[in-house]
Amino acid sequence: EIVLTQSPGTLSLSPGERATLSCSASQSVTNNYLAWYQQKPGQPPTLLINGASIRATGIPDRFSGSGSGTDFTLTISRLEPEDFAVYYCQHYVTSQLTFGGGTKVQIK
Amino acid sequence: EVQLVESGGGSVQPGGSLRLSCVGSGFTFSENWMHWVRQAPGEGPVWVSRIKPDGSTTHYADSVTGRFTISRDNARNTLFLQMNRLTADDTALYYCTTGGSGYFKYWGQGALVTVSS
Repeated sequence: EIVLTQSPGTLSLSPGERATLSCSASQSVTNNYLAWYQQKPGQPPTLLINGASIRATGIPDRFSGSGSGTDFTLTISRLEPEDFAVYYCQHYVTSQLTFGGGTKVQIK
Repeated sequence: EVQLVESGGGSVQPGGSLRLSCVGSGFTFSENWMHWVRQAPGEGPVWVSRIKPDGSTTHYADSVTGRFTISRDNARNTLFLQMNRLTADDTALYYCTTGGSGYFKYWGQGALVTVSS
């Protein structure tokens, strides 16, 4: 099983600032089979990024994904008020899919 | 518009069983892998199981192997999750999800399963 470790656990930032979220895998995520999701309270997760860097339909371009191998990053270039939420990474390399533990982006 | 609507959740005693259903619409159900993902209160999502479009192949998380069974009825655009020998650790909101090659573009609103004596 590929274990995904997200850091930091919590990120305290102000609107307009840049957010950098990390996702580290216990083994190589081949073919960049890594996705990122945003989740707000009381809602299911929303797909932001698949293939490590491909924005899903309708996702603003302030969200970007990068990385390869075992280290991946989600960057939010300028935080909008609606971006304060919890973010999860997820791999889909093997038949045992796993999510990371999440990073909460909160208002400073 | 893609819709996934789960049903069948509820409260059950430890050792009991429940069967969840999920009806899909707005997409070609029979051509998509379908998944169950669960989320315990205050925790992150956890993948549970998936099934191939024709139902011939299934995969399970280690934590549910041998207790849960995923199945589908493509004629009725319906996904199922039979859950047996439930424990308190199975308490969660269970989402039906699909839409990618192993990632999840479309999600239902979830069915709440509570296992408690």
